[in-house]
Amino acid sequence: GQQVMQIPQYQHVQEGEDFTTYCNSSTTLSNIQWYKQRPGGHPVFLIQLVKSGEVKKQKRLTFQFGEAKKNSSLHITATQTTDVGTYFCAGPQTGRRALTFGSGTRLQVQP
Amino acid sequence: NAGVTQTPKFQVLKTGQSMTLQCAQDMNHEYMSWYRQDPGMGLRLIHYSVGAGITDQGEVPNGYNVSRSTTEDFPLRLLSAAPSQTSVYFCASLRVAGNTEAFFGQGTRLTVV
Repeated sequence: GQQVMQIPQYQHVQEGEDFTTYCNSSTTLSNIQWYKQRPGGHPVFLIQLVKSGEVKKQKRLTFQFGEAKKNSSLHITATQTTDVGTYFCAGPQTGRRALTFGSGTRLQVQP
Repeated sequence: NAGVTQTPKFQVLKTGQSMTLQCAQDMNHEYMSWYRQDPGMGLRLIHYSVGAGITDQGEVPNGYNVSRSTTEDFPLRLLSAAPSQTSVYFCASLRVAGNTEAFFGQGTRLTVV
């Protein structure tokens, strides 16, 4: 079945360092979304990418969708303690009207 | 707007007990889903619905039932709770017009002893 993998599973950085998480799908995706889940909270939508090779920015966050539409990345420049949480990528499930979520990357930021 | 309302927030069950997790949304979305979240495994789809009266199985449906009698409500039933069902459960409502975006409830932390 369709699989969406994320690496790394966990990353601990010093405040001010950069951070990147990578997402790889076993199938081509029509779109990919990114969500952030704060500790003890629920996932919250960040952004959707649709086009091959698309790059979108939200302040210090840069999102990329691969040319083959099977991979994506989220890069955070100069992390802050407010960036702490788990970041998930998600794409439409093959044959189902629902989303497949990646395993997530948990980010810890040391002040 | 309330968005997605999920109850209860916490629940402890004994093995073999049954219960219903409630989920309601006020955004008039057709698509709704139930996920469970376990450490290191992301969010796994249990059941989903594409409209009132229409439900289907996700990746991990065993031990769970759903129904969708109205657009607003999508309850999840645990038929006979097992320790393996200890998890955090999230209900999600999916907007597909324009940006596809999932709106999540606050989650239910379930412990089965």
